[in-house]
Amino acid sequence: DGGITQSPKYLFRKEGQNVTLSCEQNLNHDAMYWYRQDPGQGLRLIYYSQIVNDFQKGDIAEGYSVSREKKESFPLTVTSAQKNPTAFYLCASSLTGHGVGANVLTFGAGSRLTVL
Amino acid sequence: GEDVEQSLFLSVREGDSSVINCTYTDSSSTYLYWYKQEPGAGLQLLTYIFSNMDMKQDQRLTVLLNKKDKHLSLRIADTQTGDSAIYFCAESNADSWGKLQFGAGTQVVVTP
Repeated sequence: DGGITQSPKYLFRKEGQNVTLSCEQNLNHDAMYWYRQDPGQGLRLIYYSQIVNDFQKGDIAEGYSVSREKKESFPLTVTSAQKNPTAFYLCASSLTGHGVGANVLTFGAGSRLTVL
Repeated sequence: GEDVEQSLFLSVREGDSSVINCTYTDSSSTYLYWYKQEPGAGLQLLTYIFSNMDMKQDQRLTVLLNKKDKHLSLRIADTQTGDSAIYFCAESNADSWGKLQFGAGTQVVVTP
């Protein structure tokens, strides 16, 4: 079945460490996204990518980095520069273009990061 | 930036109808969406509506859009315990494809 796989589901990090969250999709979608979810807040866009080897900052990119070397993969690194990294991270993908398909996101199950 | 607002909590009895409300500020919104999130999981798309529509019905779900007031609602008929989840309203426009603006989510609790 097609879908998005995020790993790990739970991750603990000590302060000062970088961690990388994995996101893989087999939907043949061109666009991929990383959102952050905090309790009582909506999802906030961290980074997005429309095509391989290209990505753009979202609303809260500071302290995060991404790469898009393959169409299927869009890993997110939470660096030590991110001041408040404890959150639930969601990866998503979609078609591109201007039809409704480009706006319908398919989400992974999420990764919960806790900083100790 | 543009805002999407929702009430944070709704309690409903099993078998009753639920109505979840959402307001948005972007007058150029093209698509409006309702996503559902079950505990510890990602979001799944429930339904969407184009901004040139007033209503969309899909089985137990009815979406109403008042574009003049920038108000969107989701009605769930015959609410079941499996409908307990967080429901997110989201919007996007033709220039921001894929980059949805989400509300904070409404926690719906269905009681027997």
